[in-house]
Amino acid sequence: EVQLVESGGGLVQPGGSLRLSCAASGFTVSSNYMSWVRQAPGKGLEWVSVIYSGGSTYYADSVKGRFTISRDNSKNTLYLQMNSLRAEDTAVYYCARDYRTYGGNSFFDYWGQGTLVTVSS
Amino acid sequence: EIVMTQSPATLSVSPGERATLSCRASQSVSSNLAWYQQKPGQAPRLLIYGASTRATGIPARFSGSGSGTEFTLTISSLQSEDFAVYYCQQYNNWPPTYTFGQGTKLEIK
Repeated sequence: EVQLVESGGGLVQPGGSLRLSCAASGFTVSSNYMSWVRQAPGKGLEWVSVIYSGGSTYYADSVKGRFTISRDNSKNTLYLQMNSLRAEDTAVYYCARDYRTYGGNSFFDYWGQGTLVTVSS
Repeated sequence: EIVMTQSPATLSVSPGERATLSCRASQSVSSNLAWYQQKPGQAPRLLIYGASTRATGIPARFSGSGSGTEFTLTISSLQSEDFAVYYCQQYNNWPPTYTFGQGTKLEIK
């Protein structure tokens, strides 16, 4: 059974840092594309970052230069290092498997339960 | 940047009736369009990908259609568990970006 479990959220002051983790089971993180998606309270979904199976990484403009996505293959775990946090980064952060079809479609087929990050003084 | 616009923002429908949700892209996304359902306090759930292919385990009452810039999610006979928020999502190959619509809240009439 595929499972994604996030952790590491919490309250942090503006300008601070936090590292989120996403432990996967039922599939191999390093063989898949993996993304982080966030949702501000009462708002819609916003894609944050993706790491390809080959290791390439990409970011939304809103977090570029501040967030870093990575993975630990030995732990089958995805990470999101968040630096220089701002109030507008307050959100539930979900990790999700980014499935690619041979036809070029991309979608998120498995999601974690999310972890809340609150940036406030 | 491709912008996804969903309409209406809120849709009120009675159980057993049909619901039709729309999603429009600011430029063509071919058939690279997915639909998700989200209930309060839960993660989104994949319903449809490739504009019209149901994900594993999704009931046949959910169907997707469209290509290019206009897409539709239809729920043929609403069940109580279908009342939720629905999001469309597109993927752009280069640079890799993913854009969600702002969501349609499907509520009980």
